[in-house]
Amino acid sequence: AQRVTQPEKLLSVFKGAPVELKCNYSYSGSPELFWYVQYSRQRLQLLLRHISRESIKGFTADLNKGETSFHLKKPFAQEEDSAMYYCALSDKTSYDKVIFGPGTSLSVIP
Amino acid sequence: DTGVSQDPRHKITKRGQNVTFRCDPISEHNRLYWYRQTLGQGPEFLTYFQNEAQLEKSRLLSDRFSAERPKGSFSTLEIQRTEQGDSAMYLCASSLAGTAWEKLFFGSGTQLSVL
Repeated sequence: AQRVTQPEKLLSVFKGAPVELKCNYSYSGSPELFWYVQYSRQRLQLLLRHISRESIKGFTADLNKGETSFHLKKPFAQEEDSAMYYCALSDKTSYDKVIFGPGTSLSVIP
Repeated sequence: DTGVSQDPRHKITKRGQNVTFRCDPISEHNRLYWYRQTLGQGPEFLTYFQNEAQLEKSRLLSDRFSAERPKGSFSTLEIQRTEQGDSAMYLCASSLAGTAWEKLFFGSGTQLSVL
């Protein structure tokens, strides 16, 4: 079955330090992967998507098919990055249904 | 506001009662999702529609849950004979299907509390 895992429920880093949020997936085929973010009192929203190979708010994510990972990285964390981050996968075998991981709460310490 | 809207924002009900939630997607979006989220968990897939067709319903979902999207616009999610375990945030999202990188737009959710 298609599945997304995020091993860290909580991650705390100091402002200016690098941050990496881990995401692993199980999927038979070529996945479409995303990172969604939920800031305090805001709606869940798309941060970035693998296919666009974009950098949003300084975040990047690289798909590693060998390790089945899609880790989110930022070289210098900012306080405004504190939020819940969810890794998600679009399941092409099921009408592109989007399934989410359990999420990682990132706290950036000033 | 042209985003996804959900009604009500909060619902408190007694065990055994039926509840119905509504979701209005972004107008041109043909795909609509329902998710359930409990504290400390990610959104759990419940069901989704393309236009008025229900594409899939989670196997984890009991028969007490039903969803409709009769005209391919708004959708309703009904829970019959609610149980305390149904207490959660129910999220709706919409997207424009047919692209390899469709983006989900989420509503603010309906927080259900079953007493």
